[in-house]
Amino acid sequence: EVQLLESGGGLVQPGGSLRLSCAASGFTFSSYRMNWVRQAPGKGLEWVSDISSSSSTIYYGDSVKGRFTISRDNAKSSLYLQMNSLRAEDTAVYYCARAAAQYSSSYYYYYMDVWGKGTTVTVSS
Amino acid sequence: DIQMTQSPSTLSASVGDRVTITCRASQSISSWLAWYQQKPGKAPKLLIYKASSLESGVPSRFSGSGSGTEFTLTISSLQPDDFATYYCQHFNSYPWTFGQGTKVEI
Repeated sequence: EVQLLESGGGLVQPGGSLRLSCAASGFTFSSYRMNWVRQAPGKGLEWVSDISSSSSTIYYGDSVKGRFTISRDNAKSSLYLQMNSLRAEDTAVYYCARAAAQYSSSYYYYYMDVWGKGTTVTVSS
Repeated sequence: DIQMTQSPSTLSASVGDRVTITCRASQSISSWLAWYQQKPGKAPKLLIYKASSLESGVPSRFSGSGSGTEFTLTISSLQPDDFATYYCQHFNSYPWTFGQGTKVEI
């Protein structure tokens, strides 16, 4: 069964750090781009970061750029998100998601087809 | 950055209704669009990708259309399990932003 399982969430003080992990199983992890998406309480989905299969290309949303670092270990089928200088507005459920792609007419059409259940990060004093 | 705007924000409907949700992009995104369904306390679930391709296992009452800047998600006959929040997301360029969501309620 294809599965993603996040861990590492918790309560942290403003300015603190936290490292999230996402363990993948049931598919060839090293073949896929992977992403982090978050959802603040009662709010919509916010794309956070994307990393290519070989870690050669990485992208971040403006709200986390310079504070968060995405990484992966293909040997361990794991995705990570190092979060530093945390703020109250980073409080959210953090999901990892697989980015699949369909190649058509010379383009790759991406979409997030597998999601974890999420891990909750609370930034509060 | 490309902004995605969904309408309406909330939609009241009944079982059996035909429901249409619109997603507009601030610039052309060709067909680089996906639709997701999310229920309270659950992760999002992929419904549609490449604007109109139905994800495997998703009921055929769900359909997507559009290209460029205007897209629609249609539920042909609303079922009790369909009451949820729906999001669009573009993949044209980074950041891969989501629409603000459309809540479908009774």
